[in-house]
Parts: sequence; C-alpha cells; structure tokens
Amino acid sequence: DAGITQSPRHKVTETGTPVTLRCHQTENHRYMYWYRQDPGHGLRLIHYSYGVKDTDKGEVSDGYSVSRSKTEDFLLTLESATSSQTSVYFCAISEPGDEQYFGPGTRLTVT
Amino acid sequence: QQQVKQSPQSLIVQKGGISIINCAYENTAFDYFPWYQQFPGKGPALLIAIRPDVSEKKEGRFTISFNKSAKQFSLHIMDSQPGDSATYFCAASGGTNAGKSTFGDGTTLTVKP
Repeated sequence: DAGITQSPRHKVTETGTPVTLRCHQTENHRYMYWYRQDPGHGLRLIHYSYGVKDTDKGEVSDGYSVSRSKTEDFLLTLESATSSQTSVYFCAISEPGDEQYFGPGTRLTVT
Repeated sequence: QQQVKQSPQSLIVQKGGISIINCAYENTAFDYFPWYQQFPGKGPALLIAIRPDVSEKKEGRFTISFNKSAKQFSLHIMDSQPGDSATYFCAASGGTNAGKSTFGDGTTLTVKP
C-alpha cells in the first residue's frame, strides 16, 4: 500500500467548531488531494495541492481551507463546521497524469 | 465544466456473468483513464487504467474498452464473482492540468451467488 495516512479516522464534533484533518504521505508525491464522499455524489474534490504552498480549489471548496507547508503533509480545515459537512473525507496523492493513491478515509460527523 | 458521466448507478449480476460499466467524457485533452474499485469502509484503489494509444487493455478478468472517437470507455468484468461486489469509479485526467482527475459518480456492483 502507498504510504498515506489520515488522522483522525473518526471524529464527532459540534456545529460551529473548527476541525482540522491531517493527511501524511511518505511517497514524496507532488500532488495531494482532499475529497469528500457522500451517497449519490461519488468523490467530489474539495482542494488539491501541486506543491508546497501551492493549492487550488476543487468543485466543493466553500467552507474549507487547506495548507501544505511540507511535501508530506496536507491539512484540511473546516473553520466552522456545519451539519452539511458530515461526510467521509479521503486524502489522495499522485504524480501528474498517473494513478491516485487514496488514504483510508476520515468519517466526520457534525452534530 | 469538465464531466465524466458514468452508468449505470447500480448493477446486479449473477455469479459467472459479465458486468459492464460505461463512462463518457467531454474533454478531448484527457489522456489517462483509470478505473478504481472501492470496498465498504475502504478508500478507492486503482483497478486498471488505459491511455488512448490503445483501444483495449485486459488484466485477468478485467478489461477496459476505449473508443476515442465516441469519447467513451467501459469496464468489463468477466466471470463476475461475489468478491467483485464493490463500488467502481471511472476517472479521466490530462490536458493543461494533468494532476487533476475528474471522477464519475460511481457504480455499485452486486454479484449474487
């Protein structure tokens, strides 16, 4: 398996609280991604990074921010969590034009 | 907006049958077409992928058929087994932003014993 981990794996939080999810890779891949997966919607890209400090928005970026200060770490922050952000979040890594390797996922519940 | 349209949304096949999932894309600059397999509680994982220089790629019971002129590609699972029951996603990438993939919405495959 590609060296990619996510933390935490499960989190329950209250509406309005900030939440940060962490993705860590040991593969030195250039690209890192955050997706959310919801029933009926497949995988939707939130944000992605193409290098340290280089990030761009995906199709569902509202309410989320990201940071990448090191090649190996990509953080996803929900500044003020809402119930609509209850989802399973996947991190992925890749080299350009190649397959993506996905992490095990983080199940986030916002009550 | 770049899209990849996947069908069907769900599929039920008897053991030993053929499962077929189809995808259509719009962006002619796409040059990498992977299929991912996802089991419940796990992240997606690459199953098989194709580039447009070939029309078909086979790996064991899994085959991708690619039709560049129609901008379509499909996954065929021969001799489907209950262990193949999973969600399958097609994807496409390439062009000016080769690092960014567009995914289909997924197909839930159930193979009945």
